[in-house]
Amino acid sequence: GENVEQHPSTLSVQEGDSAVIKCTYSDSASNYFPWYKQELGKRPQLIIDIRSNVGEKKDQRIAVTLNKTAKHFSLHITETQPEDSAVYFCAASINNAGKSTFGDGTTLTVKP
Amino acid sequence: DTEVTQTPKHLVMGMTNKKSLKCEQHMGHRAMYWYKQKAKKPPELMFVYSYEKLSINESVPSRFSPECPNSSLLNLHLHALQPEDSALYLCASSQSGTGSSGANVLTFGAGSRLTVL
Repeated sequence: GENVEQHPSTLSVQEGDSAVIKCTYSDSASNYFPWYKQELGKRPQLIIDIRSNVGEKKDQRIAVTLNKTAKHFSLHITETQPEDSAVYFCAASINNAGKSTFGDGTTLTVKP
Repeated sequence: DTEVTQTPKHLVMGMTNKKSLKCEQHMGHRAMYWYKQKAKKPPELMFVYSYEKLSINESVPSRFSPECPNSSLLNLHLHALQPEDSALYLCASSQSGTGSSGANVLTFGAGSRLTVL
């Protein structure tokens, strides 16, 4: 089955700095890669996603890049703010299989 | 309505009790999911219902019994649970059903926090 590895497990940055979280996956059939943000005590929420026919996608301060050859994808957050502090999960899935495999999560702390 | 609603928010039960968790969505989504999440861990898939039929069971013990009465509702019946089953149970839905084209973008509910004594 699919295996997703996520690094780092914790990340601390100063407000205004950039943060990068990286994930690798094992199943070359995976073609949909979402990122979820989970604040303490809250539900996971989709913040950005990318499909395998696209190399990069950007939404304001958040961007995701995908390298299908190397089987890795990354989340980039620029101009970080304290409200970006949360646990971020990457995931990989085959489009219509109904199964998302999650990474172990990255706890991001943005210090004011 | 763009939400997935779960009840109850908190549940405490003994190992001999029978209880149910409920999930509802009115977005017309065709797939609904149960995930289990332990503290500081990612969500783990338990069950997937697609077009009201069980399509994935991730080898979940029979003390967890899912039910999908209609396209908007998903239940998880609990019986003879163990303390290690204490966790946050997340329901999710996606517009696409399994086997349909399009990515399975998950919308999660707020979860039901279960404590088994």
